[in-house]
Amino acid sequence: KQEVTQIPAALSVPEGENLVLNCSFTDSAIYNLQWFRQDPGKGLTSLLLIQSSQREQTSGRLNASLDKSSGRSTLYIAASQPGDSATYLCAVDSSYKLIFGSGTRLLVRP
Amino acid sequence: EAGVTQSPTHLIKTRGQQATLRCSPISGHTSVYWYQQALGLGLQFLLWYDEGEERNRGNFPPRFSGRQFPNYSSELNVNALELEDSALYLCATMTGSATEAFFGQGTRLTVV
Repeated sequence: KQEVTQIPAALSVPEGENLVLNCSFTDSAIYNLQWFRQDPGKGLTSLLLIQSSQREQTSGRLNASLDKSSGRSTLYIAASQPGDSATYLCAVDSSYKLIFGSGTRLLVRP
Repeated sequence: EAGVTQSPTHLIKTRGQQATLRCSPISGHTSVYWYQQALGLGLQFLLWYDEGEERNRGNFPPRFSGRQFPNYSSELNVNALELEDSALYLCATMTGSATEAFFGQGTRLTVV
């Protein structure tokens, strides 16, 4: 049974810091891995999609890597801003559904 | 281009009633997924519809059901509502399996 874990559960950093969010999964048989952002009480915004054959994807200040063999992905956020404050979720596409981690709640202090 | 739209935004029902939630996909998307996000809990997979058929179902009782229409929009029905059904219900759509998922803003269902 696929399980997705995100560490840390919460993170508070001052503005301008570079930070890394971690995601691990137990079964390497995945089609892809997707990172999302969720603001309180809102839906999910897709940030990056990494196909199982890819190693990383970049979008602006965001960079996500995937090591399928070890069951790990990281989301790197450069030069964090207060507007980045949100919950970040990773999800693996496995067994015909997206399986989500519990998220990392990020607070970027001005 | 319009994103995934869900209606209604909020819904208040009494225990024992039925709730109907709707999801309109992005143009060209044929797959619709439904998720439940209860307060303090993660996203739990409910149902997957593709090309009008139910393809996969999560670990929820049969009173959670739905359908997909010929225009690929979808409806989630929850019968015999219970207090613990109170949650944010999210739908996501894709062009097919194993592609990028796009989510709507959700329907907040409150059961009193």
